[in-house]
Amino acid sequence: GNSVTQMEGPVTLSEEAFLTINCTYTATGYPSLFWYVQYPGEGLQLLLKATKADDKGSNKGFEATYRKETTSFHLEKGSVQVSDSAVYFCATTASGSARQLTFGSGTQLTVLP
Amino acid sequence: NAGVTQTPKFQVLKTGQSMTLQCAQDMNHNSMYWYRQDPGMGLRLIYYSASEGTTDKGEVPNGYNVSRLNKREFSLRLESAAPSQTSVYFCASSVGIRTDTQYFGPGTRLTVL
Repeated sequence: GNSVTQMEGPVTLSEEAFLTINCTYTATGYPSLFWYVQYPGEGLQLLLKATKADDKGSNKGFEATYRKETTSFHLEKGSVQVSDSAVYFCATTASGSARQLTFGSGTQLTVLP
Repeated sequence: NAGVTQTPKFQVLKTGQSMTLQCAQDMNHNSMYWYRQDPGMGLRLIYYSASEGTTDKGEVPNGYNVSRLNKREFSLRLESAAPSQTSVYFCASSVGIRTDTQYFGPGTRLTVL
């Protein structure tokens, strides 16, 4: 089945620093790729997604590009804010008719003022 | 717009007790899911329901049962709780089983003593 490997945390950055969270995947077929964010005490929210190779997902200043040749979907943001402090999950859909999500283990990000 | 709601938010059980976690969505989605979240392991799928009247096992179904009561509601039952079931449980829904984007509830934090 599919699997996702995420950069281990926790990650601590100062406000306005550059963020990269690495994500690589293994999958058969043509999965979609996602980044979800979980703020403290809340459920997961979709941050961005890409459905085919070379697609770039973007939202709230975050970006990630679907790289089929390196099986990667790294999350980046040019200038983080304190409000970006959260846990970030990379995920991929399973191949086949049931589009179940397979999640990475999550990366805790803390941004200090 | 409530989205996906879950009850209760917190629960403490003793080993061997039973309980049902409730989930409801008001987005007219066809598919619903139950996940558990454990530290360092991301989210793992317990059961899902592709449409009203159908349910299927996910990655970690042992010790759980589900009921898709109607299109809106999808419950998760622990018949005889065990300490290994201590976790945070999330319900999610999507337009259809082949739709990529899932919307998550706020979660239920369950402790089994």
